[in-house]
Amino acid sequence: ILNVEQSPQSLHVQEGDSTNFTCSFPSSNFYALHWYRWETAKSPEALFVMTLNGDEKKKGRISATLNTKEGYSYLYIKGSQPEDSATYLCAYLGGSSNTGKLIFGQGTTLQVKP
Amino acid sequence: DTAVSQTPKYLVTQMGNDKSIKCEQNLGHDTMYWYKQDSKKFLKIMFSYNNKELIINETVPNRFSPKSPDKAHLNLHINSLELGDSAVYFCASSQVLRNTIYFGEGSWLTVV
Repeated sequence: ILNVEQSPQSLHVQEGDSTNFTCSFPSSNFYALHWYRWETAKSPEALFVMTLNGDEKKKGRISATLNTKEGYSYLYIKGSQPEDSATYLCAYLGGSSNTGKLIFGQGTTLQVKP
Repeated sequence: DTAVSQTPKYLVTQMGNDKSIKCEQNLGHDTMYWYKQDSKKFLKIMFSYNNKELIINETVPNRFSPKSPDKAHLNLHINSLELGDSAVYFCASSQVLRNTIYFGEGSWLTVV
């Protein structure tokens, strides 16, 4: 059974704080790691697709790193704003499958207080 | 225009009924998916179609039948609805298998 775990499950920070959370995934047969941002009552939106060990991606104040050898990825938010409040999902894609089957973590729900 | 649209957004129906959820994408993508958000809030894949061909069929009761009349549409038909089918169902698409997935806004199904 392939497990993708995210921690923490939820996080409350003050506006302006920087924060980070973790996604753990199987380190074998790795193909790609996706990050999505999911606001309440909306659909999940893609943030990053990461494929190479050591990859770092950045989008505004949000960045992510990838370690495929040890099976983890970090998502960082610098200077959190209330509009960053959302659930952040990671999803693992294995290389042994050619079916595109993403396995999602449960998400980290971030609440940024003004 | 919404890239991936699904209807209805909300559906309340009685046990035993048959219902369909429709999905359309205007992104020109080859691959479409149905995901179910389970009781623990995980998104789990149900089906995937690539160029109208079924690629992924997870362990889903055969009361659930996807139908893809063309690359832009993937509908989900559910027969003999049960209480446990109550969930949020998300349609999605990607340019090819393994690429970034674009999700619809979800269909909230409640079986009473």
